[in-house]
Amino acid sequence: EAGVTQSPTHLIKTRGQQATLRCSPISGHTSVYWYQQALGLGLQFLLWYDEGEERNRGNFPPRFSGRQFPNYSSELNVNALELEDSALYLCASSSGYGGYNEQFFGPGTRLTVL
Amino acid sequence: SQQGEEDPQALSIQEGENATMNCSYKTSINNLQWYRQNSGRGLVHLILIRSNEREKHSGRLRVTLDTSKKSSSLLITASRAADTASYFCATDGKGRRALTFGSGTRLQVQP
Repeated sequence: EAGVTQSPTHLIKTRGQQATLRCSPISGHTSVYWYQQALGLGLQFLLWYDEGEERNRGNFPPRFSGRQFPNYSSELNVNALELEDSALYLCASSSGYGGYNEQFFGPGTRLTVL
Repeated sequence: SQQGEEDPQALSIQEGENATMNCSYKTSINNLQWYRQNSGRGLVHLILIRSNEREKHSGRLRVTLDTSKKSSSLLITASRAADTASYFCATDGKGRRALTFGSGTRLQVQP
Protein backbone atom coordinates (compact mmCIF):
# COMPACT_ATOMS: atom_id res chain seq x y z
CA GLU A 1 0.00 0.00 0.00
CA ALA A 2 1.41 3.38 -1.00
CA GLY A 3 2.10 5.87 1.73
CA VAL A 4 1.48 9.59 1.81
CA THR A 5 3.18 11.33 -1.09
CA GLN A 6 4.17 14.97 -1.41
CA SER A 7 5.43 17.10 -4.25
CA PRO A 8 7.69 18.76 -4.98
CA THR A 9 10.52 17.54 -2.77
CA HIS A 10 12.22 20.91 -2.85
CA LEU A 11 10.90 24.32 -3.80
CA ILE A 12 12.87 27.53 -4.05
CA LYS A 13 11.02 30.83 -4.26
CA THR A 14 11.78 34.48 -3.74
CA ARG A 15 10.13 36.75 -1.23
CA GLY A 16 6.67 37.89 -2.32
CA GLN A 17 6.03 34.95 -4.63
CA GLN A 18 3.45 32.22 -4.13
CA ALA A 19 4.15 28.57 -3.40
CA THR A 20 1.92 25.57 -4.02
CA LEU A 21 2.58 22.27 -2.28
CA ARG A 22 0.72 19.05 -2.97
CA CYS A 23 -0.16 15.98 -0.94
CA SER A 24 -1.79 12.65 -1.75
CA PRO A 25 -3.08 10.73 1.27
CA ILE A 26 -3.05 7.01 1.87
CA SER A 27 -5.83 5.32 -0.07
CA GLY A 28 -9.00 5.31 2.03
CA HIS A 29 -7.93 8.19 4.24
CA THR A 30 -10.22 11.20 4.15
CA SER A 31 -8.37 13.54 6.52
CA VAL A 32 -5.32 15.53 5.51
CA TYR A 33 -3.25 17.61 7.91
CA TRP A 34 -0.52 20.12 7.11
CA TYR A 35 2.30 20.90 9.52
CA GLN A 36 5.24 23.27 9.36
CA GLN A 37 8.65 22.41 10.77
CA ALA A 38 10.73 25.55 10.86
CA LEU A 39 14.19 25.70 12.38
CA GLY A 40 13.93 26.53 16.03
CA LEU A 41 10.13 26.48 16.10
CA GLY A 42 9.42 22.78 16.09
CA LEU A 43 6.47 21.07 14.44
CA GLN A 44 3.39 23.26 14.25
CA PHE A 45 -0.09 22.48 12.98
CA LEU A 46 -1.21 24.50 9.96
CA LEU A 47 -4.46 23.15 8.50
CA TRP A 48 -6.80 20.17 8.67
CA TYR A 49 -9.07 19.07 5.83
CA ASP A 50 -11.66 16.33 5.98
CA GLU A 51 -14.21 15.36 3.35
CA GLY A 52 -13.30 18.41 1.30
CA GLU A 53 -13.83 20.92 4.09
CA GLU A 54 -11.39 22.91 6.19
CA ARG A 55 -12.02 21.68 9.74
CA ASN A 56 -9.43 23.62 11.70
CA ARG A 57 -6.42 25.84 11.27
CA GLY A 58 -3.46 26.62 13.45
CA ASN A 59 -2.10 29.99 14.44
CA PHE A 60 -0.96 31.06 10.98
CA PRO A 61 -1.90 34.11 8.90
CA PRO A 62 -4.54 33.88 6.15
CA ARG A 63 -1.88 33.85 3.43
CA PHE A 64 -1.53 30.18 4.33
CA SER A 65 -4.49 28.47 2.70
CA GLY A 66 -5.36 25.27 0.98
CA ARG A 67 -8.00 22.97 -0.27
CA GLN A 68 -8.92 19.32 -0.50
CA PHE A 69 -10.05 17.78 -3.74
CA PRO A 70 -12.79 15.14 -4.27
CA ASN A 71 -10.11 12.42 -4.40
CA TYR A 72 -8.94 13.64 -0.94
CA SER A 73 -5.61 14.95 -2.20
CA SER A 74 -4.76 18.37 -0.92
CA GLU A 75 -2.93 21.52 -1.85
CA LEU A 76 -1.28 24.05 0.44
CA ASN A 77 -0.84 27.56 -0.90
CA VAL A 78 1.40 30.14 0.67
CA ASN A 79 0.98 33.66 -0.71
CA ALA A 80 3.27 36.66 -0.37
CA LEU A 81 6.17 34.49 0.78
CA GLU A 82 8.35 35.76 3.57
CA LEU A 83 11.84 34.64 4.51
CA GLU A 84 10.54 33.01 7.69
CA ASP A 85 8.28 30.73 5.65
CA SER A 86 11.38 28.70 4.84
CA ALA A 87 10.69 25.34 6.43
CA LEU A 88 9.88 21.69 5.90
CA TYR A 89 6.17 21.31 5.20
CA LEU A 90 4.76 17.96 6.19
CA CYS A 91 1.47 16.45 5.18
CA ALA A 92 -0.21 13.67 7.13
CA SER A 93 -3.30 11.61 6.53
CA SER A 94 -5.60 9.64 8.77
CA SER A 95 -8.75 7.62 8.31
CA GLY A 96 -10.68 10.15 10.33
CA TYR A 97 -12.78 7.50 12.02
CA GLY A 98 -12.93 6.34 15.59
CA GLY A 99 -10.74 7.52 18.35
CA TYR A 100 -7.37 6.34 17.16
CA ASN A 101 -6.44 9.20 14.83
CA GLU A 102 -3.19 7.58 13.72
CA GLN A 103 -1.55 10.10 11.41
CA PHE A 104 0.91 8.97 8.77
CA PHE A 105 3.28 11.47 7.29
CA GLY A 106 4.72 12.06 3.87
CA PRO A 107 8.39 12.84 3.17
CA GLY A 108 7.80 16.59 3.20
CA THR A 109 8.46 19.53 0.91
CA ARG A 110 11.46 21.68 1.74
CA LEU A 111 10.53 25.29 0.93
CA THR A 112 13.32 27.83 0.72
CA VAL A 113 12.45 31.50 0.40
CA LEU A 114 15.27 33.75 -0.82
CA SER B 1 2.76 26.26 20.61
CA GLN B 2 4.30 23.02 21.78
CA GLN B 3 2.13 20.79 23.93
CA GLY B 4 4.98 19.48 25.93
CA GLU B 5 8.58 18.87 26.51
CA GLU B 6 10.76 15.90 25.90
CA ASP B 7 13.84 14.94 27.78
CA PRO B 8 16.56 14.52 27.34
CA GLN B 9 16.98 16.90 24.42
CA ALA B 10 19.89 14.77 23.25
CA LEU B 11 21.01 11.26 24.11
CA SER B 12 24.13 9.41 23.02
CA ILE B 13 24.49 5.67 23.69
CA GLN B 14 26.41 2.67 22.42
CA GLU B 15 24.92 0.06 20.14
CA GLY B 16 23.19 -2.65 22.14
CA GLU B 17 22.25 -0.35 25.01
CA ASN B 18 18.69 0.70 25.80
CA ALA B 19 17.47 4.23 25.15
CA THR B 20 14.74 5.88 27.17
CA MET B 21 13.06 9.11 26.16
CA ASN B 22 10.41 10.95 28.13
CA CYS B 23 7.60 13.22 27.07
CA SER B 24 5.40 15.46 29.17
CA TYR B 25 2.24 17.22 28.05
CA LYS B 26 -0.06 19.85 29.47
CA THR B 27 -3.69 19.14 28.64
CA SER B 28 -5.84 16.03 28.70
CA ILE B 29 -5.41 13.74 25.72
CA ASN B 30 -7.17 11.07 23.70
CA ASN B 31 -4.07 9.54 22.15
CA LEU B 32 -0.31 9.91 22.33
CA GLN B 33 1.84 8.93 19.38
CA TRP B 34 5.58 8.56 18.95
CA TYR B 35 7.37 9.37 15.72
CA ARG B 36 10.91 9.07 14.39
CA GLN B 37 12.51 11.59 12.04
CA ASN B 38 15.77 11.03 10.21
CA SER B 39 17.79 14.08 9.18
CA GLY B 40 14.95 16.50 8.41
CA ARG B 41 12.89 14.02 6.45
CA GLY B 42 9.30 12.92 7.00
CA LEU B 43 8.04 11.47 10.25
CA VAL B 44 7.79 7.72 10.64
CA HIS B 45 4.93 6.56 12.83
CA LEU B 46 6.16 4.27 15.59
CA ILE B 47 3.31 3.62 17.98
CA LEU B 48 0.03 5.04 19.29
CA ILE B 49 -1.16 4.62 22.85
CA ARG B 50 -4.65 5.59 23.92
CA SER B 51 -5.38 7.51 27.09
CA ASN B 52 -6.93 4.44 28.73
CA GLU B 53 -3.85 2.30 28.06
CA ARG B 54 -0.82 2.18 30.31
CA GLU B 55 1.71 0.26 28.27
CA LYS B 56 2.17 -0.87 24.71
CA HIS B 57 4.84 -2.87 22.89
CA SER B 58 5.92 -3.05 19.28
CA GLY B 59 9.04 -5.02 18.47
CA ARG B 60 11.93 -3.37 20.33
CA LEU B 61 9.74 -0.45 21.40
CA ARG B 62 7.94 -0.12 24.69
CA VAL B 63 5.75 2.88 25.45
CA THR B 64 4.23 3.74 28.79
CA LEU B 65 1.64 6.37 29.58
CA ASP B 66 0.86 7.93 32.96
CA THR B 67 -2.10 10.24 32.54
CA SER B 68 -1.99 11.28 36.20
CA LYS B 69 1.49 12.70 35.62
CA LYS B 70 0.75 13.72 32.03
CA SER B 71 3.82 11.91 30.84
CA SER B 72 4.94 9.12 28.55
CA SER B 73 8.16 7.28 27.94
CA LEU B 74 9.57 5.49 24.93
CA LEU B 75 12.06 2.71 25.49
CA ILE B 76 14.10 1.33 22.62
CA THR B 77 15.82 -1.90 23.61
CA ALA B 78 19.04 -3.25 22.11
CA SER B 79 19.59 -0.08 20.08
CA ARG B 80 21.22 -0.11 16.66
CA ALA B 81 23.11 2.55 14.72
CA ALA B 82 20.07 2.75 12.42
CA ASP B 83 18.00 4.01 15.38
CA THR B 84 19.95 7.29 15.23
CA ALA B 85 17.26 9.91 14.65
CA SER B 86 15.07 12.48 16.38
CA TYR B 87 12.08 11.16 18.28
CA PHE B 88 8.90 13.15 18.88
CA CYS B 89 5.81 12.57 20.92
CA ALA B 90 2.52 14.03 19.72
CA THR B 91 -0.88 14.28 21.36
CA ASP B 92 -4.45 14.92 20.38
CA GLY B 93 -7.45 15.50 22.58
CA LYS B 94 -11.16 16.12 22.81
CA GLY B 95 -12.11 18.38 19.93
CA ARG B 96 -8.47 18.54 18.89
CA ARG B 97 -7.54 16.05 16.19
CA ALA B 98 -4.54 18.00 14.97
CA LEU B 99 -1.40 16.81 16.69
CA THR B 100 0.57 18.89 19.13
CA PHE B 101 4.21 17.91 19.20
CA GLY B 102 6.88 17.85 21.82
CA SER B 103 10.26 19.38 21.22
CA GLY B 104 11.93 16.06 20.41
CA THR B 105 14.89 14.01 21.57
CA ARG B 106 17.95 13.59 19.32
CA LEU B 107 19.25 10.06 19.75
CA GLN B 108 22.73 9.13 18.60
CA VAL B 109 23.64 5.45 18.68
CA GLN B 110 27.37 4.88 18.38
CA PRO B 111 28.40 1.71 16.51
